[in-house]
Amino acid sequence: SSELAQDPAVSVALGQTVRITCQGDSLRNYYASWYQQKPGQAPILVIYGKNNRPSEIPDRFSGSSSGNTASLTITGAEAEDEADYYCYSRDSSDNHYVFGTGTKVTVL
Amino acid sequence: QVQLQQWGAGLLKPSETLSLTCAVYGGSLSGYYWSWIRQPPGKGLEWIGEINHSGSTNYNPSLKSRVTISLDTSNNQLSLKVSSVTAADTAEYYCARRDYGSGRLVYYYMDVWGKGTTVTVSS
Repeated sequence: SSELAQDPAVSVALGQTVRITCQGDSLRNYYASWYQQKPGQAPILVIYGKNNRPSEIPDRFSGSSSGNTASLTITGAEAEDEADYYCYSRDSSDNHYVFGTGTKVTVL
Repeated sequence: QVQLQQWGAGLLKPSETLSLTCAVYGGSLSGYYWSWIRQPPGKGLEWIGEINHSGSTNYNPSLKSRVTISLDTSNNQLSLKVSSVTAADTAEYYCARRDYGSGRLVYYYMDVWGKGTTVTVSS
């Protein structure tokens, strides 16, 4: 079974850039998708595929992938970006799916 | 715009069966997989399983023996049942629409989510 590892927490100064990573063997075969979750709310999709954003997601959110690592970058972080972020992908060895461990982003 | 509305019993006793329903409004079940995800209090997201419009299912191996996901195509609904619940099944439960695409690599994503249902297991 595959696991997707994320740093538990990162912080970023207002207006600066932060990168959140997701590591796992399955990411050599599949792109990750990324979800933002604020307290008491359902997750929302922010990035999918190589670097696709739903229309309502600001363009300061971008995605990339290299080897076994997927990354979500927030360029010019705003206070409203403070949230938990999760990656998601398919397991390489079986027909099931897995979420990353989650990263709490704090905007200072 | 597709919306998901979910409901079900919020308080269960150990050994009972959890039962939740998710209704799909503004769209069809066809062409997608429909997923269930849960989140224990203060913890991360856990994928439970999924079903497509033909009834084909995939389950999290750690839950497979207790989980059943089914469709009611006449009412545009999907359901989740988890048997023999314990306190460890206490969580917020979400339904979501799962789609996929391909480029250099294939990718999977959940673009529409329900608001969640709180389930507590306590004696």
